[in-house]
Amino acid sequence: GAGVSQSPSNKVTEKGKDVELRCDPISGHTALYWYRQRLGQGLEFLIYFQGNSAPDKSGLPSDRFSAERTGESVSTLTIQRTQQEDSAVYLCASSPVGGRGELFFGEGSRLTVL
Amino acid sequence: KQEVTQIPAALSVPEGENLVLNCSFTDSAIYNLQWFRQDPGKGLTSLLLIQSSQREQTSGRLNASLDKSSGRSTLYIAASQPGDSATYLCAVRNSGGSNYKLTFGKGTLLTVNP
Repeated sequence: GAGVSQSPSNKVTEKGKDVELRCDPISGHTALYWYRQRLGQGLEFLIYFQGNSAPDKSGLPSDRFSAERTGESVSTLTIQRTQQEDSAVYLCASSPVGGRGELFFGEGSRLTVL
Repeated sequence: KQEVTQIPAALSVPEGENLVLNCSFTDSAIYNLQWFRQDPGKGLTSLLLIQSSQREQTSGRLNASLDKSSGRSTLYIAASQPGDSATYLCAVRNSGGSNYKLTFGKGTLLTVNP
């Protein structure tokens, strides 16, 4: 596709359930980011993938959060045993390496934990 | 640690007015600065990207300036329209180290009244 694609766009789940969020970056973009945006807050960095390098997971808030990326393509963000404080919009962005460093964001996945 | 502040948090103006949004950052060692727009319930749309060596960038009615030494950027919107109503976010990418991370401000919520 032309842009970054995220799914699902909305997810409502019960506390304690696991959820998986998916991101398809722009074709050819080697860098991929996950950010979290809580209501009324700024964007929080979660994780960064660049090609086959080890990802920077320093922003993941707890060990309930994990993310994977298949080569330079799709990424999934998994949240296990969800808590109410996990409710947020999860945004994925991609960027071409060697370019101006511009990030392109998807529409986000809005997660609501009841 | 880089901190980004946006003032004002909210701004309401009549249609046709020229306006300025402000962004300040604490660490002047930046690689670039990017302005985004976010509509309610949507992802981020990139508006302008300024490299650290540049002083300003223009796109249509938008003009972004950068004064790296003083840690400031402004986004100027000329002849505002109701369709400009959105939250405007600025984000800074530091130079050196983990220079792939962007640090975001909390945004300015702009309302342009017809």
